[in-house]
Amino acid sequence: DAGVTQSPTHLIKTRGQHVTLRCSPISGHKSVSWYQQVLGQGPQFIFQYYEKEERGRGNFPDRFSARQFPNYSSELNVNALLLGDSALYLCASSPGTVISGYTFGSGTRLTVV
Amino acid sequence: QKEVEQNSGPLSVPEGAIASLNCTYSDRGSQSFFWYRQYSGKSPELIMFIYSNGDKEDGRFTAQLNKASQYVSLLIRDSQPSDSATYLCAVNMNTDKLIFGTGTRLQVFP
Repeated sequence: DAGVTQSPTHLIKTRGQHVTLRCSPISGHKSVSWYQQVLGQGPQFIFQYYEKEERGRGNFPDRFSARQFPNYSSELNVNALLLGDSALYLCASSPGTVISGYTFGSGTRLTVV
Repeated sequence: QKEVEQNSGPLSVPEGAIASLNCTYSDRGSQSFFWYRQYSGKSPELIMFIYSNGDKEDGRFTAQLNKASQYVSLLIRDSQPSDSATYLCAVNMNTDKLIFGTGTRLQVFP
């Protein structure tokens, strides 16, 4: 079985641009969460979606948005990129609630120049 | 006070020794606790989770939870150089999001 797949793996963008990151959860998993990990820090929660509805939002500006599609895949969008948005963006999936933990994808490394 | 605290390390142990990694959390309502391993440049990988006070063992790994003292630990027995990584403690505080610590870097030397 395929794990959590994310695309692209690496991305370089210029300040002010927009970026879309994509995630496909493990087959059968209905919950998708997005985390941002800056070098030297633990992952920070951005969004969680379950059954296509937003279940939680972290302390991130409105430039960050996300959605989940009927096939449970998800997109994370970031507008007006800042240098500080440079990070590893992780997608995690679970069957439902977090009770047994999340499985992370390999991440998208975003560099803003 | 940070919600989840870990010593950043590095924690250096010789091969074959027991590595002890610790984590404290601030919210007494926290319900479930997770340990993830992250190799440099890779994404976090779930090692273990624990809900109840006491010990939970899985192979060379033992998670220990003490809710009264608000700490959770991970013991790695017979440490191997391949265990060298950053270990992230994560806590679920009655929501569906995980709060992560900054991680402890473990170095196992031959």
